[in-house]
Order: sequence, then structure tokens, then C-alpha cells
Amino acid sequence: DVKVTQSSRYLVKRTGEKVFLECVQDMDHENMFWYRQDPGLGLRLIYFSYDVKMKEKGDIPEGYSVSREKKERFSLILESASTNQTSMYLCASRPAGAGGLTEQFFGPGTRLTVL
Amino acid sequence: QKEVEQNSGPLSVPEGAIASLNCTYSDRGSQSFFWYRQYSGKSPELIMFIYSNGDKEDGRFTAQLNKASQYVSLLIRDSQPSDSATYLCAENTGNQFYFGTGTSLTVIP
Repeated sequence: DVKVTQSSRYLVKRTGEKVFLECVQDMDHENMFWYRQDPGLGLRLIYFSYDVKMKEKGDIPEGYSVSREKKERFSLILESASTNQTSMYLCASRPAGAGGLTEQFFGPGTRLTVL
Repeated sequence: QKEVEQNSGPLSVPEGAIASLNCTYSDRGSQSFFWYRQYSGKSPELIMFIYSNGDKEDGRFTAQLNKASQYVSLLIRDSQPSDSATYLCAENTGNQFYFGTGTSLTVIP
């Protein structure tokens, strides 16, 4: 059974703080993703990684960075948190290959509030 | 920019009825399409995916794909109150998924 875990379910931070969101998957998946989800806007891709130390920008990378030092762990970093980064953050993983016939598996999400 | 469009709803159906959820997409090169269910406060979970034209059935769920019309739908037969959730349509090309904004479904007992 695939398991994707995220370090916190709820997080409250102050404007200007550096914030780390951690994601770990236990199924040896090559691909990992970070999304944010806001009402009316759906899931928007921030960054994804297809291999250790590899990363690609998604649709909304501004204000975020990522780190993937180990295959199972993908970290999202908010360099200087702002109130417009208050959101639900979802991590997902997916095996490579299979011609697009594999799903993304989601973690439970982290609801981040920036005050 | 790839676009996946869904009617946000809310869609309400009585218990036991058929719920029909629709999705259109902009990229003719899209390879496969996924339907996820998301309960309030929870993360999305896969219902089913489809990649060939036509219908694909899994229990009470049927996905339909029409590539010529760039249209994907999900039918839920014998709807149950436990089906009340937001349903996300996603298209997949390469490594990335592109999600619609979701349709909120309420099944009324």
C-alpha cells in the first residue's frame, strides 16, 4: 500500500519566516510533486521532481523552492512566507514509465496559515 | 497552457439516481485522464482513469472519453450519500497532471 506522508497537518507561521514542508513516500517512486489548492482555483503545480537532485518548475513557482536529496523525500521551502501563501499544500508521488497509466498518490496535505 | 474545465456545481442528486460529471480539455495530445474524489479536508483519491475512446466501467462508476470532442465524463450509478464530495478531473501528459477546479456533488438521502 502506497504511503505518502507530510510532516504537518496544520502549520501557522508569521510573515517573513522561512517555512519547510516535508514529504516522504515509501514506494520508491521516481516522480514527486508539490501542489497548492485554493478554493475556486483547484490544484496548481508548484514544482515537481523526476529524480534525486532534479527539479522542474510548475505553474506557480514564485516564492517557493524545493529540495530532493534522497529519492523518498521532497521538501518545499517558502523562503519568506507571505499571507498570500496561506493555502492547503499537497504532496504527491508517482512511479515513472507505464505510458501515463499510473496515478498520482497524494499525501494528507498541510494546511498552512501565514499571519 | 493546458486547460481542464469542469462545472463547479454544486450538483445535487437524490439517493439512487445517476450523477453525471463532465470535463473538457484543451490539449488534443493529452494521453490519459483521471478522476479523483476529494472529501472535505482530505486529499484526493483515485476513482479511475481512462485513456481509450469509449466507456470504462468499475463497479458503480463509468468513465467516458471522447477524444474528438475533447470530453471526459464520470457517471455514478445508484448514488449514495457517501458519494458526496468534490470530483476532480485531471489530464496527464508526460510527467505532469493538469487538474480541473472540481465539481461539488451532494447526494440527498
